[in-house]
Amino acid sequence: GDSVTQMEGPVTLSEEAFLTINCTYTATGYPSLFWYVQYPGEGLQLLLKATKADDKGSNKGFEATYRKETTSFHLEKGSVQVSDSAVYFCALPLPGAGSYQLTFGKGTKLSVIP
Amino acid sequence: DTAVSQTPKYLVTQMGNDKSIKCEQNLGHDTMYWYKQDSKKFLKIMFSYNNKELIINETVPNRFSPKSPDKAHLNLHINSLELGDSAVYFCASSPTGAGGPYQDEQFFGPGTRLTVL
Repeated sequence: GDSVTQMEGPVTLSEEAFLTINCTYTATGYPSLFWYVQYPGEGLQLLLKATKADDKGSNKGFEATYRKETTSFHLEKGSVQVSDSAVYFCALPLPGAGSYQLTFGKGTKLSVIP
Repeated sequence: DTAVSQTPKYLVTQMGNDKSIKCEQNLGHDTMYWYKQDSKKFLKIMFSYNNKELIINETVPNRFSPKSPDKAHLNLHINSLELGDSAVYFCASSPTGAGGPYQDEQFFGPGTRLTVL
């Protein structure tokens, strides 16, 4: 069935380092793809999304490109900050009437140290 | 102007007790969800309701019973609490229907941390 696989964490980076969190997907069609972020003690919030192949989602300096050839949606940021420390989830909607369900990756915890 | 709210934020209780978690959304969405997040941050869908009707009911013990009195509310009642129920429970909502800028996007509440002693 449709699913996402993201790199295991935790990831620890120094401030201003480059970030990549890998996400690959398996899907029967071409669903939208999402990155959600969960800051400590909070719920998930949408970070960015892409709705079709070759789309690039971007927000808060983060980017991810929907690549059909490699079935990937890797999250990148050129220069991370301490405030980016959080858990990041890749997700896609499961097929079905109304697309009522998102399936999430296992989450990647990012810690950024000054 | 809270979009999805949950109460309580923390819930500590003894094994065997019955407890409820409430969720409300003011976004006008048709669909609401309950997720369970374990200690390793893994998120698992438990239930989904659309227009007050149960759409998704994953393999969840029948001690868990969702109740949707109206489209804006989805409460979770848990009977005979067990140690393994300790987790963070998230409520979420989403609009339904094809198209639109928020298609398939889900909006999450802040979570309820349940601790069963």
